[in-house]
Amino acid sequence: DAGITQSPRHKVTETGTPVTLRCHQTENHRYMYWYRQDPGHGLRLIHYSYGVKDTDKGEVSDGYSVSRSKTEDFLLTLESATSSQTSVYFCAISTGSEQYFGPGTRLTVT
Amino acid sequence: GQQVMQIPQYQHVQEGEDFTTYCNSSTTLSNIQWYKQRPGGHPVFLIQLVKSGEVKKQKRLTFQFGEAKKNSSLHITATQTTDVGTYFCAGLGGSNYKLTFGKGTLLTVNP
Repeated sequence: DAGITQSPRHKVTETGTPVTLRCHQTENHRYMYWYRQDPGHGLRLIHYSYGVKDTDKGEVSDGYSVSRSKTEDFLLTLESATSSQTSVYFCAISTGSEQYFGPGTRLTVT
Repeated sequence: GQQVMQIPQYQHVQEGEDFTTYCNSSTTLSNIQWYKQRPGGHPVFLIQLVKSGEVKKQKRLTFQFGEAKKNSSLHITATQTTDVGTYFCAGLGGSNYKLTFGKGTLLTVNP
């Protein structure tokens, strides 16, 4: 694996609360990504980053924000969690064009 | 925006049978990639195809990229129980670093 960790691995939270998921990489890759995976939808890009403080939106960015203050960390924040954001969240890095994924965070919003 | 369609959504086979999943893009791709995700796991990169008409093999897996660079297929010969999982194609279009994933094909294998 490409030295990618995600924390927490599992989280249960209540509707309306803020939630932050962390992705950490050890190999200084420039590009990092956040995806969500839901049954029947495959992997959908939420946000991505192409450098420190450089981020852009993906196809399902509403309700999510990101920050990247250091090369190794990419944070995904749900400002006010909703039940529709219950999902498995994967972080990924790119070494060229191919991507390598972290182990995922299973988030349940009750 | 770019769309990548993948069929079938599910495939159940007997061990030893062959399996194929197909991927079609709404736009011409720079390259296409294939990933495998085991149940409960994360997607793992398998291979990348770049050239028109390219064919690559990994043991029992054969990957093809169409002449128009808009479609691709993954064929597994003589499936084994270790092949179980979801296979995703992902296309790289105009952006060098943004992939568009198909919805995947879930393969189950009956021993």
